[in-house]
Amino acid sequence: AQSVTQPDIHITVSEGASLELRCNYSYGATPYLFWYVQSPGQGLQLLLKYFSGDTLVQGIKGFEAEFKRSQSSFNLRKPSVHWSDAAEYFCAVAAAMEYGNKLVFGAGTILRVKS
Amino acid sequence: DAMVIQNPRYQVTQFGKPVTLSCSQTLNHNVMYWYQQKSSQAPKLLFHYYDKDFNNEADTPDNFQSRRPNTSFCFLDIRSPGLGDAAMYLCATSRDLGGLAFFGQGTRLTVV
Repeated sequence: AQSVTQPDIHITVSEGASLELRCNYSYGATPYLFWYVQSPGQGLQLLLKYFSGDTLVQGIKGFEAEFKRSQSSFNLRKPSVHWSDAAEYFCAVAAAMEYGNKLVFGAGTILRVKS
Repeated sequence: DAMVIQNPRYQVTQFGKPVTLSCSQTLNHNVMYWYQQKSSQAPKLLFHYYDKDFNNEADTPDNFQSRRPNTSFCFLDIRSPGLGDAAMYLCATSRDLGGLAFFGQGTRLTVV
């Protein structure tokens, strides 16, 4: 079955430290890739997306992600985490053939930021 | 300004009493989705509309229905809510299937 995997359920980083959240997907071709962030009790906010072209994409709030075809990965990074970044992060994939062009989410990674 | 608006933000309903959740959009997008998100889980797609065409996910219970009377509005009807239906319900829109999706703030449903 096609899937989106976020291997880390929880991650804790110190404020000011760098961050990398992992995302892997299983799909034969290149899907559309997204990262969303969700604060408690809120909806999902798009951080960034990859459709094609440059494999390093910049998003809002200082986040970036890199698409690596050979690893089927789309990891999210931030060089210096702020306390306000504490939230849950979802990687999502949309692919025509495998997912019927619907958005499929990973299980999410909860980010905690310690001072 | 909010582009996908869900009402209400919080809804409490009685076990077995029908409830309707509302979603509206100002983006004029073709596709509207309803997702169910239970605590500490990923959002799970229930169904979507592409324009007036309704597409139900295979594992969506019959208890869940949807209506889209026009481009801007989409409703989620739960005919007989059970305790297991307590969740956050997220509405989203996109111009086309698989495209960039915009989410509303969600409606937190509590079943008592």
